[in-house]
Amino acid sequence: GAVVSQHPSRVICKSGTSVKIECRSLDFQATTMFWYRQFPKKSLMLMATSNEGSKATYEQGVEKDKFLINHASLTLSTLTVTSAHPEDSSFYICSARLREGLQSEQFFGPGTRLTVL
Amino acid sequence: QQQVKQSPQSLIVQKGGISIINCAYENTAFDYFPWYQQFPGKGPALLIAIRPDVSEKKEGRFTISFNKSAKQFSLHIMDSQPGDSATYFCAAPTRGTGRRALTFGSGTRLQVQP
Repeated sequence: GAVVSQHPSRVICKSGTSVKIECRSLDFQATTMFWYRQFPKKSLMLMATSNEGSKATYEQGVEKDKFLINHASLTLSTLTVTSAHPEDSSFYICSARLREGLQSEQFFGPGTRLTVL
Repeated sequence: QQQVKQSPQSLIVQKGGISIINCAYENTAFDYFPWYQQFPGKGPALLIAIRPDVSEKKEGRFTISFNKSAKQFSLHIMDSQPGDSATYFCAAPTRGTGRRALTFGSGTRLQVQP
């Protein structure tokens, strides 16, 4: 149990286009999902917290108009990178908490490799 | 402000040896300390986690040791195997985040030589 999927796993797009990444909790419901970004050989940096039924909470320095987050249901959150540029190329990873509460485990998706040409 | 400091940055261990990775934290309000394992091109996978009310937790070859007074916790991998070669991250709940995202350490790249 506690499986999180992401789609697509890899995407290449042209500069100026928009890309949508889906994050799904397959066997549990998640009121909260998180989006992280990881550069090569670096750690994961939290971009935003995706809340089901309400607006996402963005970390300082993350452009909310650039990275649109929609938590449409208890099992699906989407991240749309709008007007992508080469500097947006990165590894995007989502996660979901198994349950609410202080010590619930957080499970990660397999990640999406975005390359902007 | 870095909330979780991880060391070493890289580690080479012989097969069968013990791998030790350390993390130090600053916020005494932290109450959950997971370790994640990540292979290249993959998402992090939860390895083992501990709460501060215990000093040690063991799951198979993996052990977390927790020192509350020193604000440190470490991961020990016993009988290290080449398949353990990966990047390991410690983490702690992000301060000020009501929904409890994670702040990750900088990562340790472990290489187990056959």
